Amino acid sequence: QKEVEQNSGPLSVPEGAIASLNCTYSDRGSQSFFWYRQYSGKSPELIMFIYSNGDKEDGRFTAQLNKASQYVSLLIRDSQPSDSATYLCAVKGGATNKLIFGTGTLLAVQP
Amino acid sequence: EPEVTQTPSHQVTQMGQEVILRCVPISNHLYFYWYRQILGQKVEFLVSFYNNEISEKSEIFDDQFSVERPDGSNFTLKIRSTKLEDSAMYFCASSEGYTDTQYFGPGTRLTVL
Repeated sequence: QKEVEQNSGPLSVPEGAIASLNCTYSDRGSQSFFWYRQYSGKSPELIMFIYSNGDKEDGRFTAQLNKASQYVSLLIRDSQPSDSATYLCAVKGGATNKLIFGTGTLLAVQP
Repeated sequence: EPEVTQTPSHQVTQMGQEVILRCVPISNHLYFYWYRQILGQKVEFLVSFYNNEISEKSEIFDDQFSVERPDGSNFTLKIRSTKLEDSAMYFCASSEGYTDTQYFGPGTRLTVL
């Protein structure tokens, strides 16, 4: 069973701080990695994707991938109260285009 | 910006009834998906669809489920005889290509009584 694991949280950070969200996955054949944000009762909204080892930056967001350790993370700099949501890690294997989601990490940014 | 749309936003049905959930994928996208999320649980893949055929389905997608692209814009999920445990948010998603990012619609909340 291919799994994606995330700490469910809540992760509480003060406004302006860096939030660090982590995800591990079990399938070594995984090729693509996605971070989605989900507000309560809403659909997943794409934040970032990453395919290659290393860092990828987009505005306040940085995704980090380490395929050897089967680990992907999302850093949110200058966290805002509006960033408060559940962050879903999703992984796609090489031979499939289905996304396997983790349970998500609830982030709470305190004003 | 193009979006995936879904109707209805909320569907209430009696156990054993058939429901059809509708989706309009982004217009130039070729791959279509259904996922579901039971309250408090993770998002789960149901099925992917390409070129008028199912390309992959999960164990959840049993004989009571079917998908169809009845015309050039709509993509539907039919649940033939609903069960209480089918109560969930159902999300449609689409992507331009096989490896491309999947964009999700707003979801349909299905409540089976």
